[in-house]
Amino acid sequence: SAVISQKPSRDICQRGTSLTIQCQVDSQVTMMFWYRQQPGQSLTLIATANQGSEATYESGFVIDKFPISRPNLTFSTLTVSNMSPEDSSIYLCSVSMGGTSYEQYFGPGTRLTVT
Amino acid sequence: KNQVEQSPQSLIILEGKNCTLQCNYTVSPFSNLRWYKQDTGRGPVSLTIMTFSENTKSNGRYTATLDADTKQSSLHITASQLSDSASYICVVRNWDTDKLIFGTGTRLQVFP
Repeated sequence: SAVISQKPSRDICQRGTSLTIQCQVDSQVTMMFWYRQQPGQSLTLIATANQGSEATYESGFVIDKFPISRPNLTFSTLTVSNMSPEDSSIYLCSVSMGGTSYEQYFGPGTRLTVT
Repeated sequence: KNQVEQSPQSLIILEGKNCTLQCNYTVSPFSNLRWYKQDTGRGPVSLTIMTFSENTKSNGRYTATLDADTKQSSLHITASQLSDSASYICVVRNWDTDKLIFGTGTRLQVFP
């Protein structure tokens, strides 16, 4: 299994500012992902964080708004840039080891409120 | 269209009672189906993973079933406890894209 920690656990930010969320895993993992969970909604994949190269973004998400870094196999960051109240959400880091029926683990999430 | 629908949206039961949550999906081609438990303010935690050939899988008091022909799954919770209060999310992986498709969850509340 993998134990995932995220920092910060929650934050309240003013519109127009940026917040960087950190994700740390206790072991090396093949794949790292960033999800968003808006109130009452299901999880939506923002991007796959690729080690040593640019992240792969899903439709509707762009690098300028959500820049992602992954310097090694245990750490990644997601930045929410130029925030607006619509960005208020829970942001979750997720990891998997790869394979056919591979398990996917989720971090505790970062609850972001933009005022 | 790749969708996962869950019912009921919310459920209230008394401690000690059993309950069954439903999941219907249209994800194709199918790879596997997972049930996650998400406590308030926490990330989802996996309960079961089932592939096409598996009909039933248990994890303690949680038993998941899968009917790949009708594209339906259920999660049965036996002898519920207060700690079972959480959202339960059905997730299906698409074989082609390898992406997880999430349902919106069933919010379960267990009262003493």
